[in-house]
Amino acid sequence: GDSVTQMEGPVTLSEEAFLTINCTYTATGYPSLFWYVQYPGEGLQLLLKATKADDKGSNKGFEATYRKETTSFHLEKGSVQVSDSAVYFCALSDKGAQKLVFGQGTRLTINP
Amino acid sequence: EPEVTQTPSHQVTQMGQEVILRCVPISNHLYFYWYRQILGQKVEFLVSFYNNEISEKSEIFDDQFSVERPDGSNFTLKIRSTKLEDSAMYFCASSVAGGFFTDTQYFGPGTRLTVL
Repeated sequence: GDSVTQMEGPVTLSEEAFLTINCTYTATGYPSLFWYVQYPGEGLQLLLKATKADDKGSNKGFEATYRKETTSFHLEKGSVQVSDSAVYFCALSDKGAQKLVFGQGTRLTINP
Repeated sequence: EPEVTQTPSHQVTQMGQEVILRCVPISNHLYFYWYRQILGQKVEFLVSFYNNEISEKSEIFDDQFSVERPDGSNFTLKIRSTKLEDSAMYFCASSVAGGFFTDTQYFGPGTRLTVL
């Protein structure tokens, strides 16, 4: 079945550091890919998405490119801030299916 | 900005009791979902609901679970006889579209269910 694998956390960085959170997927079809973020005490919020190969999703300085050849959707940000501290979830939704399949989440902590 | 709301934020119950978790999806959304996250594990899909019926469900969603849209605004998840292993954070989500046309799902803040 479909699955998503994220890099193990937690990840701790200093402010203004470069961030990469790896995400790879397995799917039978041509899924849409998502990054959700969960800030402390809040629900899951959509951060960005891409619906086909080579699409780049971007939001709030974060980017991720849908790479079909490597089945990856890595999340990047050039300069992180303390306010980016949260748990980040990679997810996919296969065409014709309604459910989201999530990775295990990566906890990110940014120190000032 | 419209948002999905859930009540209560935390529910504590005794094993074997029935619980109802409530959600108010975004008003113009047509597809509704429940997910759960057991502590330390992945967020898992439970069920999707469209046009007053279940459109997809996972293996987790057995006869102990049911969903209902009792009126034009609420969407509920009922667990008939709770087990210890039902302790988890339950998330409600909604989307405008669904099915073949993948659409963004908007999540509520979750209800933490603790079964004692």
